[in-house]
Amino acid sequence: DAGVTQSPTHLIKTRGQQVTLRCSPKSGHDTVSWYQQALGQGPQFIFQYYEEEERQRGNFPDRFSGHQFPNYSSELNVNALLLGDSALYLCASSLMETQYFGPGTRLLVL
Amino acid sequence: AQTVTQSQPEMSVQEAETVTLSCTYDTSESDYYLFWYKQPPSRQMILVIRQEAYKQQNATENRFSVNFQKAAKSFSLKISDSQLGDAAMYFCAYRSPYGGSQGNLIFGKGTKLSVKP
Repeated sequence: DAGVTQSPTHLIKTRGQQVTLRCSPKSGHDTVSWYQQALGQGPQFIFQYYEEEERQRGNFPDRFSGHQFPNYSSELNVNALLLGDSALYLCASSLMETQYFGPGTRLLVL
Repeated sequence: AQTVTQSQPEMSVQEAETVTLSCTYDTSESDYYLFWYKQPPSRQMILVIRQEAYKQQNATENRFSVNFQKAAKSFSLKISDSQLGDAAMYFCAYRSPYGGSQGNLIFGKGTKLSVKP
């Protein structure tokens, strides 16, 4: 049983560019949540997708958007990248109350 | 809004000894979930243990156990017989039962655990 997978593992972008991160949930899970983890900090909730709709959203600007596909996989898009967007982006999937995390995508904005 | 506080930025333990990591939280809700996650240098967040607030019995998972004090809003993690592989960042997290059945997690800032051979 494959766990949560994310791609790519690392990414380098420049300010102003756009980026798309991808997540495949654990088999049987229907909900995907995205978190941003700055260096030395705990993860911060970005948003959550269920049944292809954004169900909850944290305190992140509209530059952060997402999508969930019929197979429950998900994408996180960030537009107009800022230096401060450099972080580890974690995807978590769940069926009930426990979230299981993927390995993350390390984004560096130069 | 709920908050989670981990007051120990770093902790150290000798191999085979026992260590306790502290976590406090603030909430006005009566029912919720609490979690401990481990994040090794490889950075994948791994679930260690979870606790439902309505259960009075403390959760245990092999060498890992919690001391859940609901009135004090405290949720500490005890690691027994510490192993070198336990070295990691440990995050305490809170999840509301609301916001649908899949509420988001609120994390503390983490405690870095070192294990000395």
